[in-house]
Amino acid sequence: AQSVTQPDIHITVSEGASLELRCNYSYGATPYLFWYVQSPGQGLQLLLKYFSGDTLVQGIKGFEAEFKRSQSSFNLRKPSVHWSDAAEYFCAVALSGGYNKLIFGAGTRLAVHP
Amino acid sequence: GAGVSQSPSNKVTEKGKDVELRCDPISGHTALYWYRQSLGQGLEFLIYFQGNSAPDKSGLPSDRFSAERTGGSVSTLTIQRTQQEDSAVYLCASSRSHTEAFFGQGTRLTVV
Repeated sequence: AQSVTQPDIHITVSEGASLELRCNYSYGATPYLFWYVQSPGQGLQLLLKYFSGDTLVQGIKGFEAEFKRSQSSFNLRKPSVHWSDAAEYFCAVALSGGYNKLIFGAGTRLAVHP
Repeated sequence: GAGVSQSPSNKVTEKGKDVELRCDPISGHTALYWYRQSLGQGLEFLIYFQGNSAPDKSGLPSDRFSAERTGGSVSTLTIQRTQQEDSAVYLCASSRSHTEAFFGQGTRLTVV
């Protein structure tokens, strides 16, 4: 069965520092891959997605993610974190060619110190 | 509308009562999804609609849960005889068929 692992439950970084959130998936083929962000009391906002093509994808708010097939990973990065980035981040996969039945990771809660 | 709209935003109900949660998808989005977000289980898929039909109901946790969609638009998720373990945030999302899903702000259900 498909699964998504986000190894880090909580991460704390200083404002201005770089960030990398890890995501590994288990699936027989290349899935569609997504990163969503959820601020307190809010719904999920899509940061970026990978369907095919260039393995480095750019998203909103200065985020990027790199798909590495050999490692079954889709890590999220940001070169310089802002205090407003404090939120919970979810990696998700959907079956290629199918509808968006998303399988989510458990999430990583990001805290940003001033 | 501009985004996915869910109502109510908060619902407190007594154990054993029935509840209905409503979702208004983005206009023109043929696909609609319901997810549940709870502390113990994370984010779980419940059901998928394409138009008015539901080809995938595999995530509905029990027969107390049902959903319908009418006119290819509004969807209602109904939970009968609510239990405390049903307490969660219920999220609705919509999309054009094979593109990214856009989520509503959710309905926080508390069963007391």
